[in-house]
Amino acid sequence: KNQVEQSPQSLIILEGKNCTLQCNYTVSPFSNLRWYKQDTGRGPVSLTIMTFSENTKSNGRYTATLDADTKQSSLHITASQLSDSASYICVVSARDSGNTGKLIFGQGTTLQVKP
Amino acid sequence: EAQVTQNPRYLITVTGKKLTVTCSQNMNHEYMSWYRQDPGLGLRQIYYSMNVEVTDKGDVPEGYKVSRKEKRNFPLILESPSPNQTSLYFCASSLLAGEQNEQFFGPGTRLTVL
Repeated sequence: KNQVEQSPQSLIILEGKNCTLQCNYTVSPFSNLRWYKQDTGRGPVSLTIMTFSENTKSNGRYTATLDADTKQSSLHITASQLSDSASYICVVSARDSGNTGKLIFGQGTTLQVKP
Repeated sequence: EAQVTQNPRYLITVTGKKLTVTCSQNMNHEYMSWYRQDPGLGLRQIYYSMNVEVTDKGDVPEGYKVSRKEKRNFPLILESPSPNQTSLYFCASSLLAGEQNEQFFGPGTRLTVL
């Protein structure tokens, strides 16, 4: 069964600190992995996308890594800001012969950055 | 501004009263999809559409209907809402179908069925 598991479920850090969020998946055949940021009351917004051959991708203070062998990904946030407070969702796409755009969503990690 | 819009953003209704949540995108996207988001669960796909007049069931289609008469609009219809359909709903669109295409999400509609 295709699944995406994220940890921790929630996290509280102080402003300026770094943090790392984890994502494990059992999706086959794998196509790509995205990290989305979802602010409270808003829809998810894509941060990064990685395909099988990529093992790291940065977007400002956000750096995602992918280990396709162990089926793990992480999202590292550097020098956190109050605006980083949000849910972060790991989304894995399965290679789909029907081309239906099937996405498998993790439950998300809720990050709270405190001053 | 390129965007996906949903209306209404918040809705409280009673069991059995038909309702429609509208979704519209201005990016000329072919692919559109509806998801629901519940606490402790990831987003789950309700229905999707690969183009005008082409719709198909997602993972949790029971109790929902959709239509795609125009490219830009993809309304979600609850013919007889029940309390278990209380949820946060998101519409999304992408240029084309397929896992390579990024989906852009609307702002969400919070529905409460009493």
